[in-house]
Amino acid sequence: NAGVTQTPKFQVLKTGQSMTLQCAQDMNHNSMYWYRQDPGMGLRLIYYSASEGTTDKGEVPNGYNVSRLNKREFSLRLESAAPSQTSVYFCASSEQIFREGGYTFGSGTRLTVV
Amino acid sequence: SQQGEEDPQALSIQEGENATMNCSYKTSINNLQWYRQNSGRGLVHLILIRSNEREKHSGRLRVTLDTSKKSSSLLITASRAADTASYFCATDGLNTDKLIFGTGTRLQVFP
Repeated sequence: NAGVTQTPKFQVLKTGQSMTLQCAQDMNHNSMYWYRQDPGMGLRLIYYSASEGTTDKGEVPNGYNVSRLNKREFSLRLESAAPSQTSVYFCASSEQIFREGGYTFGSGTRLTVV
Repeated sequence: SQQGEEDPQALSIQEGENATMNCSYKTSINNLQWYRQNSGRGLVHLILIRSNEREKHSGRLRVTLDTSKKSSSLLITASRAADTASYFCATDGLNTDKLIFGTGTRLQVFP
């Protein structure tokens, strides 16, 4: 009963390096989401996957790609990291938004790009 | 762009007092949700209110929704130090399964 698991928890990248943030949920949820959180900006949606096999852009998709590997896993890839991508990244999942449970969030990945 | 804007940005109160946070949003919604985020942690879902509801209670939480004014409020009664956190409202647009979050209210409850 881990909920939503994100790895790694912390990462430092050099400008231009690539990396993949991993997210997995064990609640059999259909929908998964990637958000970034910056000071004073709240959470902004990067990409989401309404169901297995589909992905769509959110508010701030530039510089990112995603893969919905299966129903459990939704990864976020930075192909060429930039300092502007320094942020805290949250993965979330939901069964269906109209139910009472809302989203379940992971504990976040704190990414610094130098 | 952010759908929701919380007010105030920061709030400091003593234990036992009530805390009220407000959220305004821009477009028609299916429902509005409130989340709590403790420092350095992920967000935790608190309560959901549907667009056809006006008020909802959950323990010490009371949420109101005024769709004519596109606004919501979250009231935490008898605050405790453990309520210290940031609180976010989130809304979904019609025909969409994605939530758009506001910028949050930082609540500090002093013992």
